[in-house]
Amino acid sequence: DIVMTQSPDSLAVSLGERATINCKSSQSVLYSSKNKNYLAWYQQKPGQPPKLLIYWASTRESGVPDRFSGSGSGTDFTLTISSLQAEDVAVYYCQQYYSTPPGYTFGQGTKLEIK
Amino acid sequence: QVQLQESGPGLVKPSETLSLTCTVSGGSISGSSYYWGWIRQPPGKGLEWIGSIYYSGATYHNPSLKSRVTISVDTRKNQFFLKLSSVTAADTAVYYCARGGRDGYNPRGETFDYWGQGTLVTVSS
Repeated sequence: DIVMTQSPDSLAVSLGERATINCKSSQSVLYSSKNKNYLAWYQQKPGQPPKLLIYWASTRESGVPDRFSGSGSGTDFTLTISSLQAEDVAVYYCQQYYSTPPGYTFGQGTKLEIK
Repeated sequence: QVQLQESGPGLVKPSETLSLTCTVSGGSISGSSYYWGWIRQPPGKGLEWIGSIYYSGATYHNPSLKSRVTISVDTRKNQFFLKLSSVTAADTAVYYCARGGRDGYNPRGETFDYWGQGTLVTVSS
């Protein structure tokens, strides 16, 4: 199984400041022949299901504000919120979808709060 | 707009079988671009993928749960189902159904783009 480890577990950032969340996979999720990283990010607000934010490590889902960006390759990935807004308070999860046959694992989550 | 809705008992006794239904509307469950999955979240904890099914009936399971999990599909009713046997208190969770992409057929890869609202299942006598 591919283990996904996020850091930190929780994070407090001031409004308008940058928030950075890290995700590390226990093995590479880069599919070399396709040059794609099989890594997604989700946002989950209290009482709601997760919402897909980013796929292929850096492609924003339609409708996601451009203050959200994803980067990284291989085993190390980052979700960045460039200017934190109050509505961004949530738990963020990374997910790998590299395993074959399909077998998906999520990071443990990072709770983002306002400082 | 695709919508998913979970349904089933909110309380299950230890050692019994948890059974849930996911009803899909706004799109066909028979599309070749998607898997249909179950994910759970214990109270205050993270997400755990349980398993997924293709409309043909092909299934994929989390190895840690595989022996207890049965996932099936009814394409005529646009529904898919989860059965989890021999439940314990550790199976208490919010259970979500979600649409998952199929690699090579979906531009988002095997991500979960539509989710149900989730249903809390408590295992208790």
